[in-house]
Amino acid sequence: DTGVSQDPRHKITKRGQNVTFRCDPISEHNRLYWYRQTLGQGPEFLTYFQNEAQLEKSRLLSDRFSAERPKGSFSTLEIQRTEQGDSAMYLCASSLASGRPRMNEQYFGPGTRLTVT
Amino acid sequence: GQQLNQSPQSMFIQEGEDVSMNCTSSSIFNTWLWYKQDPGEGPVLLIALYKAGELTSNGRLTAQFGITRKDSFLNISASIPSDVGIYFCAGQGGSYIPTFGRGTSLIVHP
Repeated sequence: DTGVSQDPRHKITKRGQNVTFRCDPISEHNRLYWYRQTLGQGPEFLTYFQNEAQLEKSRLLSDRFSAERPKGSFSTLEIQRTEQGDSAMYLCASSLASGRPRMNEQYFGPGTRLTVT
Repeated sequence: GQQLNQSPQSMFIQEGEDVSMNCTSSSIFNTWLWYKQDPGEGPVLLIALYKAGELTSNGRLTAQFGITRKDSFLNISASIPSDVGIYFCAGQGGSYIPTFGRGTSLIVHP
């Protein structure tokens, strides 16, 4: 399968614990995006990388959220000191950045469902 | 965060019926995208539109990029049970960061 993969698919954690999610993009894609999706809503953009550079992080929900893409391939999203309101689906998507709009279509992974108890 | 106005919120139809849903925005977009999401999965791209007025088909799906660049619609013809899911529109500007609608939940009765 050469699509976007995410790990784990489900995570249950206790309030106050730290969690880390991993995303592996489509191999030739240089852009990687993180989204949060809550019930009844569309995906909400959090941050994105072009190669290893994080080009937009102002929409991360708080300073408890951070993301890395150290080698320009896979990425991790960490949430520190989780709160019950962090319970949501966390989605990753990737695209091939290009001056041509058709090349910037984003393809999503299956998501990581986080439950904070 | 900002989400686009997508309607209807939900639809309950009989198999074989046609479906229409739309999305509007106060902002102008360069690209409109339509995704389908099944429960517990990520959204899957159905159709992408790049030019105002563009009409694009993908099998039984047809989508149009509004002339004002502030709206788009998606039609599904002759619906089948596997069309069940949540359909999202998304608009993209020059940054290629999409803004999503809240989704249209489609239920098809056999």
